[in-house]
Amino acid sequence: GENVEQHPSTLSVQEGDSAVIKCTYSDSASNYFPWYKQELGKRPQLIIDIRSNVGEKKDQRIAVTLNKTAKHFSLHITETQPEDSAVYFCAAGATGGSYIPTFGRGTSLIVHP
Amino acid sequence: KAGVTQTPRYLIKTRGQQVTLSCSPISGHRSVSWYQQTPGQGLQFLFEYFSETQRNKGNFPGRFSGRQFSNSRSEMNVSTLELGDSALYLCASRPLANQETQYFGPGTRLLVL
Repeated sequence: GENVEQHPSTLSVQEGDSAVIKCTYSDSASNYFPWYKQELGKRPQLIIDIRSNVGEKKDQRIAVTLNKTAKHFSLHITETQPEDSAVYFCAAGATGGSYIPTFGRGTSLIVHP
Repeated sequence: KAGVTQTPRYLIKTRGQQVTLSCSPISGHRSVSWYQQTPGQGLQFLFEYFSETQRNKGNFPGRFSGRQFSNSRSEMNVSTLELGDSALYLCASRPLANQETQYFGPGTRLLVL
């Protein structure tokens, strides 16, 4: 089955800095890679996703890159703000009806004002 | 549209008891998946229901079961509770089986004493 590794487990940055979270996956059949943000005591919320036919996707301060050959994908947050503080999860899965995502263990991002 | 709702939000049970959790998906969504979230194991897939049929099942013992009703609402049941079942149980809905974007509910936090 799929295995997703996520690093780092904790990331501490100063407000305004950039943050990068990396995930690797094992199953070459995976073709959909979402990222979720979970604030303390709240539900995971999809913040950005990417499919295997795209190498990069950007949404304002958030971007995701995908390297299919190396089987890794990364989340980039620029100009971080204190409200970006949360746990971020990556996931990987194969689409086509039977979609079972495998999640990374999460990265706790702390943005210091 | 109203988001995914889950009831109850918090639950305390003792070992050996059983528990039933409920999930109401976003209106029009027909797929409901259940996940267990713990600090040690992260987010793990339990099972997915689509049109009242279980489509996929994760690697959990038979004590964990679920069902889906004709209105797409879903319940999961855990029998003979163990201390290790203490977790946040999240459900997620998506519109159709071939659409991957999942919307999570707030979760039910279960504590087994």
